[in-house]
Amino acid sequence: DAKTTQPTSMDCAEGRAANLPCNHSTISGNEYVYWYRQIHSQGPQYIIHGLKNNETNEMASLIITEDRKSSTLILPHATLRDTAVYYCIVRGWTDSWGKLQFGAGTQVVVTP
Amino acid sequence: GAVVSQHPSWVICKSGTSVKIECRSLDFQATTMFWYRQFPKQSLMLMATSNEGSKATYEQGVEKDKFLINHASLTLSTLTVTSAHPEDSSFYICSARQGVLAKNIQYFGAGTRLSVL
Repeated sequence: DAKTTQPTSMDCAEGRAANLPCNHSTISGNEYVYWYRQIHSQGPQYIIHGLKNNETNEMASLIITEDRKSSTLILPHATLRDTAVYYCIVRGWTDSWGKLQFGAGTQVVVTP
Repeated sequence: GAVVSQHPSWVICKSGTSVKIECRSLDFQATTMFWYRQFPKQSLMLMATSNEGSKATYEQGVEKDKFLINHASLTLSTLTVTSAHPEDSSFYICSARQGVLAKNIQYFGAGTRLSVL
């Protein structure tokens, strides 16, 4: 699976949009981009995923560039409960069983 | 989203004993389940992948005789840490997915914190 690069940390103001970037320049055509987050001492929580089109759900929006080499997760109105480590993961089915491999992620801190 | 239940959430045991952790998919059939381990201030590391009715596939460096995985049904997988030692103290997290397609979502349990004295 392609590797991803994320900033180590980000600070966001409560109530503002949080834009989390992710680079995946070696992504291949059948690989999806997944976003998860992990709040301290809990299991990861699924946020959103996409292949090439932009996606939106009740939690966030995912913007994937046309060349698919990068993406941005948007939390439209950050709250204090959004403080977590956010993981951008690329997964395809070329790897056996389509395993999710976690990188270091981005530590997002939402401040009042 | 789908619910993955993990039990117990916290366990303390003596060195040399075995500990079993259960992972259940509550509202879907999990063709594939995964076990991860996370040390403090580190990311999740995949330990093994299991498919219902077959032997687990372990990641490189993970001792299969120490970490026994049983995926006996489409809703239950267990991880047994045999002869636990203090260095096995960690946060163990299970995950479940319906099907093998890359677009399928993988859901995670809340994790089990293991402390070996």
